[in-house]
Amino acid sequence: DADVTQTPRNRITKTGKRIMLECSQTKGHDRMYWYRQDPGLGLRLIYYSFDVKDINKGEISDGYSVSRQAQAKFSLSLESAIPNQTALYFCATSDSGGNEQFFGPGTRLTVL
Amino acid sequence: GEDVEQSLFLSVREGDSSVINCTYTDSSSTYLYWYKQEPGAGLQLLTYIFSNMDMKQDQRLTVLLNKKDKHLSLRIADTQTGDSAIYFCAVTLYNNDMRFGAGTRLTVKP
Repeated sequence: DADVTQTPRNRITKTGKRIMLECSQTKGHDRMYWYRQDPGLGLRLIYYSFDVKDINKGEISDGYSVSRQAQAKFSLSLESAIPNQTALYFCATSDSGGNEQFFGPGTRLTVL
Repeated sequence: GEDVEQSLFLSVREGDSSVINCTYTDSSSTYLYWYKQEPGAGLQLLTYIFSNMDMKQDQRLTVLLNKKDKHLSLRIADTQTGDSAIYFCAVTLYNNDMRFGAGTRLTVKP
């Protein structure tokens, strides 16, 4: 079984809709991250969390929010989706040393 | 801001060596990583190097670090078609954030 799972794997939505992407992990890691991947731009950090209820903004947090209600779960919300949020979204986890991040399979989000 | 730069494409013949290069700007980076992304999959850590090292070898992979020039490279010996993927360079920042390069798409031709 995968250690880091993401749901949904694919989502098509319309401008203005609220969307939630879920991430779950069975690795027992404290740290969790949300990234978006755009062609030619690599991965950019949206939000990260070092523990339950701990939330930190990353490089590109505008237009997004997150929730960390449990160690194993970290959800990413787009309150009002817009087309330039069309991207591949990755969740990742790491232990408290933070040296290696383990990535989920990604969620492809398309906003029409 | 902190930048990590890579060339976007590399094409090699099967059996040749591949060298993927990366430059970064944050001189305080302590860990530097190479990740591999296969089509439709997430990123998988290939190898990493501490900033106090200048070389690390792991089977077919050799990582070279030039701290003075802030240059990191990944050499894949005897490149195989299964090595075709996107390779990301990543560095840790002073605040433990990570910054990723845009990724180098390696194509291995038979």
